Amino acid sequence: AQSVSQHNHHVILSEAASLELGCNYSYGGTVNLFWYVQYPGQHLQLLLKYFSGDPLVKGIKGFEAEFIKSKFSFNLRKPSVQWSDTAEYFCAVKGSGGYQKVTFGTGTKLQVIP
Amino acid sequence: ETGVTQSPTHLIKTRGQQVTLRCSSQSGHNTVSWYQQALGQGPQFIFQYYREEENGRGNFPPRFSGLQFPNYSSELNVNALELDDSALYLCASSNRVRGSSNQPQHFGDGTRLSIL
Repeated sequence: AQSVSQHNHHVILSEAASLELGCNYSYGGTVNLFWYVQYPGQHLQLLLKYFSGDPLVKGIKGFEAEFIKSKFSFNLRKPSVQWSDTAEYFCAVKGSGGYQKVTFGTGTKLQVIP
Repeated sequence: ETGVTQSPTHLIKTRGQQVTLRCSSQSGHNTVSWYQQALGQGPQFIFQYYREEENGRGNFPPRFSGLQFPNYSSELNVNALELDDSALYLCASSNRVRGSSNQPQHFGDGTRLSIL
């Protein structure tokens, strides 16, 4: 069975601080990996995705994530956060090929203090 | 491009009742997935529909059922509602292309269901 673990439930940072949110997954095969963001009062939006190729993936709004296969990890990073990055972030995994359900982590709430 | 729309936005029901939630997929999308998001949790996969057929199911009992229509819109039906069914129900659509499943999902705003 596939699973996703997000280690940080609530992160508080000051503006301009660097961000790294941890994500580890469990799946016995080739995976597709995603980070979604949910801003207050808005729907889930895709931040970035990894399907294959370069393990360092760049997404919108200056976010990036690195797929480390040996560690089953897909951590999200941003060098300098802004107040507008305050949101909840979800890591998700899906097996590649054919139908495969998407499994989400429990989410990390990021609060950026001006 | 029209995004994923869900209705209603909020709904209050009592235990034992039945509910139908609706979802219009993003234009050009042929696959719809439904998720349940309880407070403080990530979305949990309920099932997926592709070309009007259930294409996969998560760990939800049979009282959770669905439909997909020829225009790719979808319904989620829940019978015999229980208190634990209180949650945000999310619909996500994607365009599945033959030979490839690498299509990210686009989410609606969800329906907030409260069971009293």
